[in-house]
Amino acid sequence: DAKTTQPPSMDCAEGRAANLPCNHSTISGNEYVYWYRQIHSQGPQYIIHGLKNNETNEMASLIITEDRKSSTLILPHATLRDTAVYYCIVLLNAGGTSYGKLTFGQGTILTVHP
Amino acid sequence: DAGVTQSPTHLIKTRGQQVTLRCSPKSGHDTVSWYQQALGQGPQFIFQYYEEEERQRGNFPDRFSGHQFPNYSSELNVNALLLGDSALYLCASSLAWDRRYTGELFFGEGSRLTVL
Repeated sequence: DAKTTQPPSMDCAEGRAANLPCNHSTISGNEYVYWYRQIHSQGPQYIIHGLKNNETNEMASLIITEDRKSSTLILPHATLRDTAVYYCIVLLNAGGTSYGKLTFGQGTILTVHP
Repeated sequence: DAGVTQSPTHLIKTRGQQVTLRCSPKSGHDTVSWYQQALGQGPQFIFQYYEEEERQRGNFPDRFSGHQFPNYSSELNVNALLLGDSALYLCASSLAWDRRYTGELFFGEGSRLTVL
């Protein structure tokens, strides 16, 4: 699976959009981009995933560049409860042999301030 | 609909002892994966069980073993505990074959193991 690079930490004001970047320059054509987050003392939580199109769900939006070498997770209106470690993960062929084997990096610690 | 449940939530062992951690997957899920998360690090994949067999394994020694039962619940066993085994152990469940599969794993809250 391709390696990802994320900034170690970011800050965001409550109510503003939080934009979390991720570089995955070695991503291959059938690898998906996944985002998980881990709130302190809890297990990781799935947020969103995509292959090459932008995706949106009730939690966030995922913007993937046209060359697929980077992506941005957007939390449109951050709240204090969004303070967490956010992990960007590249996964080969969702549903295939890599199924369930997520490779977590260090992630980005997002702190949302009042 | 119960999510992934793990037990115990906390436990303390001494070096050389053995430990068993338990996991019940989310209702309807048939695949269980185990992860180890050391303090300040991201979770590391240990192994995955499907149809009562180990399907994938990460870079962990044989001291780490597991089992999956017919009801899909799972156990993680660690023998000859070392100080470095102190960590949060996370269980994640998923459905092996699903036409609507999103690749989403559902994680439990974890079992925090301290080895003294």
